[in-house]
Amino acid sequence: GAVVSQHPSWVICKSGTSVKIECRSLDFQATTMFWYRQFPKQSLMLMATSNEGSKATYEQGVEKDKFLINHASLTLSTLTVTSAHPEDSSFYICSASDSGFFSYNEQFFGPGTRLTVL
Amino acid sequence: DAKTTQPPSMDCAEGRAANLPCNHSTISGNEYVYWYRQIHSQGPQYIIHGLKNNETNEMASLIITEDRKSSTLILPHATLRDTAVYYCIVTNTNAGKSTFGDGTTLTVKP
Repeated sequence: GAVVSQHPSWVICKSGTSVKIECRSLDFQATTMFWYRQFPKQSLMLMATSNEGSKATYEQGVEKDKFLINHASLTLSTLTVTSAHPEDSSFYICSASDSGFFSYNEQFFGPGTRLTVL
Repeated sequence: DAKTTQPPSMDCAEGRAANLPCNHSTISGNEYVYWYRQIHSQGPQYIIHGLKNNETNEMASLIITEDRKSSTLILPHATLRDTAVYYCIVTNTNAGKSTFGDGTTLTVKP
């Protein structure tokens, strides 16, 4: 199956700093990438959908100025958590899909990034 | 996206079949049923998906009722490594995005 990587796998930062998380599709071109957030013992919550070359679509309640998403190429999307605070500590997961090659809407998930804000 | 309802937890004996139910009574005609699973602290893993016919692959079988209002994921011979949270998702093919419910925590016991 298709492989999606995330970097870093975990990060610890100080409150007020910004953190960038990368999501890469390694062996296919991802026309669409999704970003999720997962708090302990909870389900995945979709934050935003990004299509290559266009602005991301954010879910209701997700601050677009705080969670900056860039999908500049068909293999890379980045999520930047700006001015991070302890309440932003979470497990961030990306997924990627290419409706032109794989079954429509089949998503391939990355391994996740554990963010801890001190 | 249609909402799904799954039991919060299930146990299964190692080597036996695990049958995980999912209700999606408000599913519409262009929505697929997808199943993913998530092992602790990892990203979700795709298992199987279907529209209206039953499906089988090397991991599992998916049985969808004729009215498409419910489905069952079957792991034919559960192993300890199948212990995970299993998510049933109904996805609108136009929107592309998926909404995760609470899932079922499957515990396979020796």
